[in-house]
Amino acid sequence: GQSLEQPSEVTAVEGAIVQINCTYQTSGFYGLSWYQQHDGGAPTFLSYNALDGLEETGRFSSFLSRSDSYGYLLLQELQMKDSASYFCAGIDNTDKLIFGTGTRLQVFP
Amino acid sequence: GAVVSQHPSWVICKSGTSVKIECRSLDFQATTMFWYRQFPKQSLMLMATSNEGSKATYEQGVEKDKFLINHASLTLSTLTVTSAHPEDSSFYICSARALQGNLEKLFFGSGTQLSVL
Repeated sequence: GQSLEQPSEVTAVEGAIVQINCTYQTSGFYGLSWYQQHDGGAPTFLSYNALDGLEETGRFSSFLSRSDSYGYLLLQELQMKDSASYFCAGIDNTDKLIFGTGTRLQVFP
Repeated sequence: GAVVSQHPSWVICKSGTSVKIECRSLDFQATTMFWYRQFPKQSLMLMATSNEGSKATYEQGVEKDKFLINHASLTLSTLTVTSAHPEDSSFYICSARALQGNLEKLFFGSGTQLSVL
């Protein structure tokens, strides 16, 4: 089976940098994705790591270490609009996307 | 990017009635769609994989007779919650894969908030 664990909540101030970790246990795995979800909305794709290392997309970066079964999402220059829930998601060997437990990020002025 | 349209966005119904939720891929064909359920402040839980022209594949613990999935065309999948009860109240989201550039991504519908009285 596959399970992806995240911290339940993270708080930070505008302009700061925050890292959201994701640790996983899986019996088959093809990459790690990150999604953002605002309250009442659908998840939106942020980033995908197929291989180990860092992927940078603007203010957001994502890192994956398959040997450590670990990844993280790094958000820089935080803005109030970044307050949302963030989910890591793993693609299992049947091509299904399984979501992590989710992290609620609150950005304060 | 690819667009997935989900309808209705919210529905309130009486206990015992059935509710149908539609998920359409507007500008691409989706042989496979996924249905998720999300309770407040929780993660998205995969319910089933909808396959065009064949039976859906349900995740463990999901009642296939209660959550009927039909994927009759390459652009439409429907989820019917039969004999809905208050515990079925949840946010239901569909998704489909599409190629964007050289990366295959999962695109989500806007979700359906179901409230069963």
